Amino acid sequence: NAGVTQTPKFQVLKTGQSMTLQCAQDMNHEYMSWYRQDPGMGLRLIHYSVGAGITDQGEVPNGYNVSRSTTEDFPLRLLSAAPSQTSVYFCASSYSEEGAGELFFGEGSRLTVL
Amino acid sequence: GQQVMQIPQYQHVQEGEDFTTYCNSSTTLSNIQWYKQRPGGHPVFLIQLVKSGEVKKQKRLTFQFGEAKKNSSLHITATQTTDVGTYFCAGETTGANSKLTFGKGITLSVRP
Repeated sequence: NAGVTQTPKFQVLKTGQSMTLQCAQDMNHEYMSWYRQDPGMGLRLIHYSVGAGITDQGEVPNGYNVSRSTTEDFPLRLLSAAPSQTSVYFCASSYSEEGAGELFFGEGSRLTVL
Repeated sequence: GQQVMQIPQYQHVQEGEDFTTYCNSSTTLSNIQWYKQRPGGHPVFLIQLVKSGEVKKQKRLTFQFGEAKKNSSLHITATQTTDVGTYFCAGETTGANSKLTFGKGITLSVRP
């Protein structure tokens, strides 16, 4: 069972470059979300989706875009990377549409913006 | 907005000692979850508490939800080196547009 798969695991960008972090889950979960983790800051919600075609902003959405065209995939786009976006990014999914159920996390994507 | 607080952020214990950490919310919660993240790893779900005053046990770990559903505790009996990691609580409020808000976590180190 693959669970939640994130790619790439590591990425280095220059300021102003764009990129997409991929997230796919094979558990048929309706709820998917993106978090960033910074030292001393815990896990902060960027964007989330309660189903295909539906997305909403979390606590720190600025500088990030998402879309949810299928149940399985929830990519996170950085349109113009900034050093403040250097972080570890986690994708998570849950069987519950309200996100109240157990969150299954991917292994993370470590992004460095120079 | 909703805040979930975990203080302190770091704790060091001697192997075999007991360990307790607390999680406090600024608002009443519908449920609270606990996660563990090993160094270099990703958060892994441990437990979810839903009922006021609920207590759940997993081997040496005991989780409790406060009567007012605004706080929770995690108690580890006789810590082991395998308990090393960061423990996060995450609280969800009631009502529409509720989100799961994570605390900043407490990083536990265990001296052998």
